[in-house]
Amino acid sequence: AQTVTQSQPEMSVQEAETVTLSCTYDTSESDYYLFWYKQPPSRQMILVIRQEAYKQQNATENRFSVNFQKAAKSFSLKISDSQLGDAAMYFCAYRRRTGNQFYFGTGTSLTVIP
Amino acid sequence: DAGVTQSPTHLIKTRGQQVTLRCSPKSGHDTVSWYQQALGQGPQFIFQYYEEEERQRGNFPDRFSGHQFPNYSSELNVNALLLGDSALYLCASSRDETQYFGPGTRLLVL
Repeated sequence: AQTVTQSQPEMSVQEAETVTLSCTYDTSESDYYLFWYKQPPSRQMILVIRQEAYKQQNATENRFSVNFQKAAKSFSLKISDSQLGDAAMYFCAYRRRTGNQFYFGTGTSLTVIP
Repeated sequence: DAGVTQSPTHLIKTRGQQVTLRCSPKSGHDTVSWYQQALGQGPQFIFQYYEEEERQRGNFPDRFSGHQFPNYSSELNVNALLLGDSALYLCASSRDETQYFGPGTRLLVL
């Protein structure tokens, strides 16, 4: 069974600084997708970034980037130049290429300190 | 372009009752998935609908059922509600590997 682990229940970062959120996953598949979602207090889950396992290049979306280490089954999210609006719960998620189900971690609550 | 919408936003029921939650997918999306998110937890997959059929199901009892309509909108039905069914219910739509989520329905079972 696929599992996703986020070992940091809470993280904090000073405004304008950089923070990295960790995620590890367990799978026997070789082809899959990984995602980071953000859930602000308003609760709507928003897609932050997506990575395809067969692509070695790390995905980047503006201030958000990932460090994808396939052999280590690690998928961390780096947020640069943190902004107050980045404060939210961040969820890491996994999906097999041939599957339909998303598997989510338990989330990391990010606080941005002004 | 409207995103994924869900109704109602909040709902209070008592044990043993039945509830129906509704979801309209993002324009152009034909697949709808439902998730249950307990407080402080990540979403748990309930099931997914595609072409009006349940395509995949997570580890949820038969009390949880669903439906997808020809316009791709979907309903989640929960029968014989238990206190433990209190949660945020999220709908997600997709047309490829990425899912887009609605704002959720907060269900409280008393």
